[in-house]
Formats: sequence, structure tokens, C-alpha cells
Amino acid sequence: EIVMTQSPATLSVSPGERATLSCRASQSVSSNLAWYQQKPGQAPRLLIYGASTRATGIPARFSGSGSGTEFTLTISSLQSEDFAVYYCQQYNNWYTFGQGTKLEIK
Amino acid sequence: QVTLKESGPVLVKPTETLTLTCTVSGFSLSNARMGVSWIRQPPGKALEWLAHIFSNDEKSYSTSLKSRLTISKDTSKSQVVLTMTNMDPVDTATYYCARMLGGDYVDYWGQGTLVTVSS
Repeated sequence: EIVMTQSPATLSVSPGERATLSCRASQSVSSNLAWYQQKPGQAPRLLIYGASTRATGIPARFSGSGSGTEFTLTISSLQSEDFAVYYCQQYNNWYTFGQGTKLEIK
Repeated sequence: QVTLKESGPVLVKPTETLTLTCTVSGFSLSNARMGVSWIRQPPGKALEWLAHIFSNDEKSYSTSLKSRLTISKDTSKSQVVLTMTNMDPVDTATYYCARMLGGDYVDYWGQGTLVTVSS
């Protein structure tokens, strides 16, 4: 089973600043990686697939990069609605999720 | 408009079998690129993929839970059913059904249903 490790567990950032979230795979997943955002009491929402393609309706301030085992989600200028938990998910070999990064207001 | 909705018991006793139903609309379970997964999330914890069923009825299960899970579908009813045997309190979680486009990533999620395992 491919293990996905996200870092940091919690990230404190001020509104308007940039946030960088990391996701590492225990073996190569090529570009078969997705990012999701989850707010309290809600189902996750797809942000990025194919490591770098934004899903429909996702603002341009969200960007994904990486391939193989190292991936990054960058939020260029944090808005109040961006504070949430973010998960990465690989779909190269069935499916596994990371443990999440909580993005909180500094 | 694509929607998925989970239904089933909110409370089950230890050792019982859980049966959850996902009713979908806005797409067909027979569409070649459509598959449905079940994913769960214990309170305050991370997402965990459980099982997936493809349009051709091929199935896949989480390695750690495979012995306890069965996924099936009824295309005519637009429903996907998950059964999990021998429920334990650690199985307390919100259970989501989710459409996986091309069997890859989730593009639509159900609202989730919280299942509590307690005597």
C-alpha cells in the first residue's frame, strides 16, 4: 500500500500571505495525485487533480505541482474561506489519502 | 445535476453487520467512466478509502478491511451498497459515497452519514 505523508500537520498563516502544503508518497505515483479541501461539517471538495490541474470552479490562487513522490499545494494569497483541512490522495495504485494539513489563521 | 446520497442506520451494535446504500442521480452507474467508492472518516481524523466499484462491476477493496467488506450495485435503481461485517466501536465514522471519474479522483461526494458503533 502506498503511504501518503502530509506536512506540516498544522500550518498557521495570516490572510493575504502564501501557504505551501506538502505531500510525499512512499513510492512513485507519477502525476496521479489529487488535493481536496474540507471544512468542518462538510464533505471534501476537489481542488486539484493530475497533480496540477485545477478542478472546475477552483480559483487561480490554488496551484499544485510535483510528480513522482513529492507534491506541493500552494495557495498564493489566503482568503478567509481558505482556512480548512487539506488532503492529498494518490490514485496510481488504488487509493490512499494523506493524514491532512490543517490550515489555520495566524 | 450530479448528486449522491447515503442512507443507512445511524447506530449499530458491536459485532453487527452494517449496510449502507448510496443513491445516485445525474449520471448512470453503467457509464464507462463512472465508478463509486465508499470512503470513511472517524471523528476528527483523516479520510480512509474502503471500496470501489467500476461500471463493469469490477470491485476493489482496502487491503486492511477486505475480509469485512462487500460492495455491489444495482444499476436499474442507481444504487451502490456497502456491507461491513463485525462492526466495532473503532468503525464509528462518517461514511461517504463518492463518484470517482475514470476510477481516479473524487469529483462528487455525498453529504456523508455518521454511523456510531455502540452497545
